[in-house]
Amino acid sequence: QVQLVESGGGLVKPGGSLRLSCAASGFSFSDYYMSWIRQAPGKGLEWVSYISSSASTIYYADSVKGRFTISRDNAKKSVYLQMNSLRVEDTAVYYCARPRFGMDVWGQGTTVTVS
Amino acid sequence: DIQMTQSPSSLSASVGDRVTITCQASQDISNYLAWYLQKPGKPPKLLIYDVSNLETGVPSRFSGSGSGTDFTFTISSLQPEDIATYYCQQYDNLPYTFGQGTKLDIK
Repeated sequence: QVQLVESGGGLVKPGGSLRLSCAASGFSFSDYYMSWIRQAPGKGLEWVSYISSSASTIYYADSVKGRFTISRDNAKKSVYLQMNSLRVEDTAVYYCARPRFGMDVWGQGTTVTVS
Repeated sequence: DIQMTQSPSSLSASVGDRVTITCQASQDISNYLAWYLQKPGKPPKLLIYDVSNLETGVPSRFSGSGSGTDFTFTISSLQPEDIATYYCQQYDNLPYTFGQGTKLDIK
């Protein structure tokens, strides 16, 4: 079935780095744009980044621009989020999601704690 | 960025009640609006896209309406399993912003 599985979260000190991965299955990954969305503890949803199917179009929220880098490997059916210069306020569950009409497929999320 | 103002922020209702949540965009987003349900510890689930289209498998008691800047999400008869937080999201312009959420519980 259609599935997204995130990995790579963990505990990191302020100023540190993490690389999140999201593995897709059950659909033609190379045909779809992909997004990362995060949710701080007890808070709402914040859209983080977006990459087109060919990686020719990339967009970031202002809160992460210059620190985070989204990329994808269509052969591996995976999308990545390289997070540098992490801040306490980046602490959140990070979800990858498939933007279609709205976000129709979501992963279970991976937790990033910056402390 | 487009601001999405969702109200109310919390809501208590009884089983069988009709429940309505509103979402207002800071500018015209045409029909590029989605509604999600999120239960604790789970990812959001898409319920409605393009204002009023029900995602496959979503019960018909859920519905959406509106256009331009003002949108409404309705549960026609609240069920116990509908207890969750609901979010609207615009996907007309990047960044694809969310409303702040409506926490719904049983009275």
